[in-house]
Amino acid sequence: EVQLVESGGGLVQPGGSLRLSCAGSGFTFSAHWMNWVRQAPGKGLEWVANIRQDGSVTHYVDSVKGRFTISRDNADNSCYLQMNSLRAEDTAVYFCARHPGDNQAYFDYWGQGALVTVSS
Amino acid sequence: DIQMTQSPPSLSASVGDRVTISCRASQGIRNHLAWYQQKPGKAPRSLIYAASSVLSGVPSRFSGSGSGTDFTLTISSLQPADFAIYYCQQYDLYPITFGQGTRLEIK
Repeated sequence: EVQLVESGGGLVQPGGSLRLSCAGSGFTFSAHWMNWVRQAPGKGLEWVANIRQDGSVTHYVDSVKGRFTISRDNADNSCYLQMNSLRAEDTAVYFCARHPGDNQAYFDYWGQGALVTVSS
Repeated sequence: DIQMTQSPPSLSASVGDRVTISCRASQGIRNHLAWYQQKPGKAPRSLIYAASSVLSGVPSRFSGSGSGTDFTLTISSLQPADFAIYYCQQYDLYPITFGQGTRLEIK
């Protein structure tokens, strides 16, 4: 069974940093692009970033470029989102999600989400 | 960025009804369109990819159609479990973008 489990969420002050982790199991982690998608309270879904299977290519939404970094460790079946210079508008549930294959940039499996709250 | 516009924003319907949700892209996206269902406090559930391909395990009452800029999600006979928020998503160009969602409520 494919599983994605996020961890690392919490309360952080504006300007602070936080690192989210996503642990994958039940599939060949190194064969899939991985993503972070977020959802602010009461709002819709917003794609944040993704990373190629070997970590050599990444993409970001403009609002997080220069502040967030996505990375992965295939030996550990894990993906990460380092979030720096956090702002109140980054408050959201962050979901880890998988692309099923190359040139198929939709999401077939999702984690349960990790809540990040940016507040003083 | 490609803007995805869903209509209607909300919809009231009854069990057994046939329901259609629309999604329009601000530019052509071929068939690179997916649909998701989300219930309160839960992660999204993936329903359809490539505009009309239904993912394994999704009930056959869900179907999708369209190409280019105009797409639809159809639920042929609403069941109680179908009341949720539905999102479309384009994956033709970066950044990946979602529609704003359609809330499907019980009449």
